Amino acid sequence: GAGVSQSPSNKVTEKGKDVELRCDPISGHTALYWYRQSLGQGLEFLIYFQGNSAPDKSGLPSDRFSAERTGGSVSTLTIQRTQQEDSAVYLCASSNQQSTEAFFGQGTRLTVV
Amino acid sequence: AQRVTQPEKLLSVFKGAPVELKCNYSYSGSPELFWYVQYSRQRLQLLLRHISRESIKGFTADLNKGETSFHLKKPFAQEEDSAMYYCALSGTGANSKLTFGKGITLSVRP
Repeated sequence: GAGVSQSPSNKVTEKGKDVELRCDPISGHTALYWYRQSLGQGLEFLIYFQGNSAPDKSGLPSDRFSAERTGGSVSTLTIQRTQQEDSAVYLCASSNQQSTEAFFGQGTRLTVV
Repeated sequence: AQRVTQPEKLLSVFKGAPVELKCNYSYSGSPELFWYVQYSRQRLQLLLRHISRESIKGFTADLNKGETSFHLKKPFAQEEDSAMYYCALSGTGANSKLTFGKGITLSVRP
């Protein structure tokens, strides 16, 4: 594809349910980021994958959050036992090894009711 | 640790007025600095980066290592500049994680 693709675009879930958010990065990009965007909080870093290195998970807000990147390509962000404060737009971005410019997906808007 | 600070949340100006969006950073090495922009209903995208030293859409930003700042400036704002602006920092080598500030909303009134 031409850019970073995220699915679903919107997700409404009940409190306590688990959700999975998907990111398809630009082909060949070795770096992949997940961010959370909410009003007043800006862009909150969650996790960073770079090639075969161990991911930087320092931004994950709790152990309910986890992410995987399979085969160095597609990534899924999983939120277990969702809470209302998890409601936000979750953004994925990728970049290649030579340039640190990050290309963003359109985001997944998560609403926990 | 790397940190980006954008001290203001909102800047509202009239069309034709000068604009300065402030950004300060904290990083122990030589960082790469960026400004990203998000227009209404569009995805976040790169506006400019300090190493290219370009003017994009009339915007410029100069890296001031002494003041650890990377303020974004435009001499004459246009209505189409209204958007959310984020300052970002990337470390070098293995520390190339991209860290963003909290962002500022620029509103340009006619």
